[in-house]
Amino acid sequence: ILNVEQSPQSLHVQEGDSTNFTCSFPSSNFYALHWYRWETAKSPEALFVMTLNGDEKKKGRISATLNTKEGYSYLYIKGSQPEDSATYLCAFRGSTLGRLYFGRGTQLTVWP
Amino acid sequence: DAGVIQSPRHEVTEMGQEVTLRCKPISGHNSLFWYRQTMMRGLELLIYFNNNVPIDDSGMPEDRFSAKMPNASFSTLKIQPSEPRDSAVYFCASSMGQKQETQYFGPGTRLLVL
Repeated sequence: ILNVEQSPQSLHVQEGDSTNFTCSFPSSNFYALHWYRWETAKSPEALFVMTLNGDEKKKGRISATLNTKEGYSYLYIKGSQPEDSATYLCAFRGSTLGRLYFGRGTQLTVWP
Repeated sequence: DAGVIQSPRHEVTEMGQEVTLRCKPISGHNSLFWYRQTMMRGLELLIYFNNNVPIDDSGMPEDRFSAKMPNASFSTLKIQPSEPRDSAVYFCASSMGQKQETQYFGPGTRLLVL
């Protein structure tokens, strides 16, 4: 069993606050790290796929960084909005045809 | 593109009954994944197929669960007999099998076994 840890488990912030959360994964046999956004009563939607150490991806106010040598990725949200409220999942993949190993997610609530 | 299609969206059944969940992946995708989401265990992979062949079924809970992919556009997950502890949301996802391999999830089937 492969361990993918996310922290914090949940986060409550005010509208306009910037926030970040962490995904930790094995640093060996790394192939890719995925971030998904999962709104309540919907299905997970892909945000980023990151493959290279030092990678930085950005989509609007959301960005992510990757450190494969130490086995972590950060997701940042700048100026959080209520519509950002969701669970953010990361998933590790260790081989080209390997399965994704999902973390338990960080549940973000943004209060207006 | 219609996205990944799952049916039914909701299923309520009695313990002991057979349950069949269906999935149509995105056209052109050659990998298909079945996941189960519960409060206790989060999102867990049950089985995945590549080019219609099961690659990893280590997540299938027990013999009561079986999955098939008879062709590139259809897969089923069957539970027989169903038990109350099988109650969960079951997601199907598909991907293109390319390097980036983003998985696209269906809307899920919410199963309640009484």
